[in-house]
Amino acid sequence: AQTVTQSQPEMSVQEAETVTLSCTYDTSESNYYLFWYKQPPSRQMILVIRQEAYKQQNATENRFSVNFQKAAKSFSLKISDSQLGDTAMYFCAPRGAQKLVFGQGTRLTINP
Amino acid sequence: DAGVTQSPTHLIKTRGQHVTLRCSPISGHKSVSWYQQVLGQGPQFIFQYYEKEERGRGNFPDRFSARQFPNYSSELNVNALLLGDSALYLCASSLRVNEQFFGPGTRLTVL
Repeated sequence: AQTVTQSQPEMSVQEAETVTLSCTYDTSESNYYLFWYKQPPSRQMILVIRQEAYKQQNATENRFSVNFQKAAKSFSLKISDSQLGDTAMYFCAPRGAQKLVFGQGTRLTINP
Repeated sequence: DAGVTQSPTHLIKTRGQHVTLRCSPISGHKSVSWYQQVLGQGPQFIFQYYEKEERGRGNFPDRFSARQFPNYSSELNVNALLLGDSALYLCASSLRVNEQFFGPGTRLTVL
């Protein structure tokens, strides 16, 4: 079974700062993918970034990047130049053949 | 292009009733998955359907069932509703395994 641990229930930073959200996971699957989703107060689940586990190069999407350490089963999300609109719940979610397995989430608040 | 759509947006039921939630995937997506998100927690996997066949089922009781239609839309049915079934029900569609796009969800309240 897959398990996901997001050890930071809440984080708060000032606008324009850089923040890193941590995630560790456990999986028995050999082929899998890793995702970070953002859920604002509207509760719409929005894809932030994804990483194929077979790729060594860390994924980057504009201000968002990941630090993927496969051996350590760690998948952290870095948000650079944070903006007020980044305020949301962030979920780490590995996916095997069938399903996403979500962590408990990190509530991120960006302060003006 | 339209994203994943779900109906209804909100729903209020009483204990013991039955509910049907609907999902239309992104055009061309053949896989639909259902998740339950209780307030304050991450979503939990309920079902995955691909080409009208069930491909995966999460740890939910038999009161939960689903199906996928020839046009790839899907229904989630829950019988004998319990208070604990109150949650946001999310539908997600995908074309490939390295993606999953979510709809806005249906908020179910059981009184």
